[in-house]
Amino acid sequence: KAGVTQTPRYLIKTRGQQVTLSCSPISGHRSVSWYQQTPGQGLQFLFEYFSETQRNKGNFPGRFSGRQFSNSRSEMNVSTLELGDSALYLCASSSIAGVGTGELFFGEGSRLTVL
Amino acid sequence: QKEVEQDPGPLSVPEGAIVSLNCTYSNSAFQYFMWYRQYSRKGPELLMYTYSSGNKEDGRFTAQVDKSSKYISLFIRDSQPSDSATYLCAMSLRNSWGKLQFGAGTQVVVTP
Repeated sequence: KAGVTQTPRYLIKTRGQQVTLSCSPISGHRSVSWYQQTPGQGLQFLFEYFSETQRNKGNFPGRFSGRQFSNSRSEMNVSTLELGDSALYLCASSSIAGVGTGELFFGEGSRLTVL
Repeated sequence: QKEVEQDPGPLSVPEGAIVSLNCTYSNSAFQYFMWYRQYSRKGPELLMYTYSSGNKEDGRFTAQVDKSSKYISLFIRDSQPSDSATYLCAMSLRNSWGKLQFGAGTQVVVTP
C-alpha cells in the first residue's frame, strides 16, 4: 500500500512569490492534515481537511491556504512568501477510524527555501 | 510557556541500554497521546498511541501516560543504532481531528 506522497520534495522560491504544494493521501484515507516544521518552532499544525471541508485551522496568517479535492488529494498554497516561511511542510493522512485520534501517517515533506 | 514540553537533547546512549524519553503538558483536556519517530530528512512515523493513563507495550517500546501528573514517557529497551532518530511526543484533544500538539522532539543517538 503506497504511503502519503508529497510533491515537490524540494523547492526554492524568492520573497514575494507564491507556492503550491501537493499531497496524495494513503488510498482510502479521507482526512488530510498539514504541518509546518522548523528548527525553532518544531511541528506546527496548519489545517485539516475531511471530505473537501476544512475541519480545523491553526494559527497561521491568511497567506496560508489549502483545499481538498473529491479524490482526497490536497494542496496548500502560500502567497507572498517571506523568509520565515522556509520550512519543511508535512502532509499527513488518516483513515476514518483514526480521525480525531491522532493516528496520522506522514509523508516525507516538501522542503521550501525562501531566498 | 509551551503546552507540551520536551527536552530536545541530544541524548546519547550505548547500544543495548534503555532509552528513557518524556514530555510534560499543561492542558489537562488532552486525551490522546502519541510518540512519533523521525529520521533525518523523513516524515514522522507513528510509534505508539495511547488513550488512557497506564502502560502500553509494543515489542521493545513501552509508553506510559500519567494524566494526574500530566506526564508521558517512552522507553526503548535493548536500544540499537537504528533507533538513532528524533522522537516526538504529541497529544490531542477529543474530536480535534488531525490537530496534534507536538513536543520539540528529543534527538537520540545510540552508539555501537
